[in-house]
Amino acid sequence: NAGVTQTPKFQVLKTGQSMTLQCAQDMNHNSMYWYRQDPGMGLRLIYYSASEGTTDKGEVPNGYNVSRLNKREFSLRLESAAPSQTSVYFCASLYTDTQYFGPGTRLTVL
Amino acid sequence: GQQVMQIPQYQHVQEGEDFTTYCNSSTTLSNIQWYKQRPGGHPVFLIQLVKSGEVKKQKRLTFQFGEAKKNSSLHITATQTTDVGTYFCAGGSNYKLTFGKGTLLTVNP
Repeated sequence: NAGVTQTPKFQVLKTGQSMTLQCAQDMNHNSMYWYRQDPGMGLRLIYYSASEGTTDKGEVPNGYNVSRLNKREFSLRLESAAPSQTSVYFCASLYTDTQYFGPGTRLTVL
Repeated sequence: GQQVMQIPQYQHVQEGEDFTTYCNSSTTLSNIQWYKQRPGGHPVFLIQLVKSGEVKKQKRLTFQFGEAKKNSSLHITATQTTDVGTYFCAGGSNYKLTFGKGTLLTVNP
């Protein structure tokens, strides 16, 4: 099992560019999450998907969209990147009360 | 919305000293979870506490959940360099966890 995988690992964008962060899990988990982590701010929930076919906003959803493509995959899209979206993005899945995190994507927006 | 506060933000200790981080919620929690994130890594689940007053141990780590289920602590006895990292508490429903800002522990060998 690869667990939770994320691509890309690193990305540099210019302001206004768009991109999609990919996340996949091979553990057959129902719920998946996107967090961003900024220095001194902890982990903040952007969006989550409690089950295939559903998505809900978290604490900081503005500027992002998500797609739960199937049970395995949950993508995060930045339509028009802004410097404030420079962060480390973590995807996670949930099983029996435990969240399993991917390795993260380090995004820099210039 | 629910807020989870964690203190201290940073803690530097000499190897062999003890370490404690505290977590407080603005609301009663159904459960609380603790995660560890090594530098450059991703958060890894450590433990979940569910019952009022619950105490759980993992080797040198002791986790407590307050009687009112609004606070929790993580205590590490005799720290080692392998304990370095950021420790997060998280509370809330299982679908939506609210994370504390974490305590960064550094250990001087």
